Amino acid sequence: EIVLTQSPATLSLSPGERATLSCRASQSVSSYLAWYQQKPGQAPRLLIYDASNRATGIPARFSGSGSGTDFTLTISSLEPEDFAVYYCQQRSTRRFGGGTKVEIK
Amino acid sequence: EVQLVESGGGLVQPGGSLRLSCAASGFTFSSYWMHWVRQAPGKGLVWVSRINSDGSSTSYADSVKGRFTISRDNAKNTLYLQMNSLRAEDTAVYYCARDLLRFLEWDYMDVWGKGTTVTVSS
Repeated sequence: EIVLTQSPATLSLSPGERATLSCRASQSVSSYLAWYQQKPGQAPRLLIYDASNRATGIPARFSGSGSGTDFTLTISSLEPEDFAVYYCQQRSTRRFGGGTKVEIK
Repeated sequence: EVQLVESGGGLVQPGGSLRLSCAASGFTFSSYWMHWVRQAPGKGLVWVSRINSDGSSTSYADSVKGRFTISRDNAKNTLYLQMNSLRAEDTAVYYCARDLLRFLEWDYMDVWGKGTTVTVSS
């Protein structure tokens, strides 16, 4: 069974800094990986699907890369509204990773 | 406006049952596969179940298989989750979510409801 491991668990950064989040799969998932953002008390929002495709309405500062077992979500310059928890998810079993919290430093 | 609105959550005793509903609007509900995802307090997201566009195919997480049943009524634009034999570990916010692409199982979720809270406790 494929397990997704996200790192780091918490990322402390300042607005304007670059955020790099990692998601590692226990076996290859090809490019079938998505990223979601969740703010406190809100539902998740789809950011990226198929590793690198931005969902409708997602700003260009969010980008995804990777294939096989190693994936990265990059936020080029953090805006105040980007501080949230981010989850990766793979298609074949629909499982989510444990999440990375991006907090204000 | 594309919208999903869940209802039916509440407090139930261990071993009890509950049926969640998810009312869809603003899109052609019958064209999309649909999912239920849950989130225990302070924890991450867990996929629970999915159903295809005409209701003929379903899939479940191992943790709920045999206890939960997903269904849909396309005439009423409504998704359901029948939950039986509830356990304390089923306590969570339950979200319904739409699959990304029409007619296909893509297993990414692009529209989410706000969730309904289920608490299993005596």
